[in-house]
Amino acid sequence: GAVVSQHPSRVICKSGTSVKIECRSLDFQATTMFWYRQFPKQSLMLMATSNEGSKATYEQGVEKDKFLINHASLTLSTLTVTSAHPEDSSFYICSARESGHSYNSPLHFGNGTRLTVT
Amino acid sequence: KNQVEQSPQSLIILEGKNCTLQCNYTVSPFSNLRWYKQDTGRGPVSLTIMTFSENTKSNGRYTATLDADTKQSSLHITASQLSDSASYICVVSAKGNTPLVFGKGTRLSVIA
Repeated sequence: GAVVSQHPSRVICKSGTSVKIECRSLDFQATTMFWYRQFPKQSLMLMATSNEGSKATYEQGVEKDKFLINHASLTLSTLTVTSAHPEDSSFYICSARESGHSYNSPLHFGNGTRLTVT
Repeated sequence: KNQVEQSPQSLIILEGKNCTLQCNYTVSPFSNLRWYKQDTGRGPVSLTIMTFSENTKSNGRYTATLDADTKQSSLHITASQLSDSASYICVVSAKGNTPLVFGKGTRLSVIA
C-alpha cells in the first residue's frame, strides 16, 4: 500500500530556532500534500496545501512566513517552523494523495512529528 | 458552516464487545465520508470511504454506514480487541477542491 514517511518523529528545540519536517511519499507520486497541526484531544487542523512546483496555499490564520513549505518534487514536501516558540509545540502531520487520483481516493497520512519547543 | 460532530467523545468497552460510533455532518455539497483510526502519537489510517450512493461498507471487523438524507454515519466495531483502542475520526469532503472537514474523534478504550 501507499506509504507516507514523515521525519523526524520527535524533535525538541530551543525557542528561536528553526525546525524542518520532511514528508515523503515512498511508492507513489503526490502532486498535492497537506500539512496539519493537532493539539491534544483536538481534531486535525489543516495548515496549508502544498503543491509541487508552486507556492503553498495557507489556511486563514496560518502565517506563511513562519511556516515555510517547499514542495520541490513529486515525492517530497517540507515544512519549516521558523523562530519556533513554545506555543508552536504540537503534533504536525502530513498527508498525500496519489497524483491523478480523484477526491474520493484515500489520503495517506504520515506518522506525524511531535514538536516540543523549550 | 461545514461541520462534523462525533459522539460519544470517549468510550470504554470490554474486550470482545461490540460498539457503535456516531458521526453527524452538515457539509454540503457532499462528496464522501471517511473513517480513520488514529493510534496515539501516530498518523490516521483509513478504514473506509463512502460516497453518496453507498449505504454501508465493511473492512474486516469495521462496518460503516451512511445515511446521506439525514447526514449521519456510524462506525460499528465487532468483537473488539485491545488493539482497537485508538481515536476514530470521521472526515467529510465536499465536492470540488475544498479542505476536508475533520471531526474531533471518538477516543475508544478497549479493556480486558
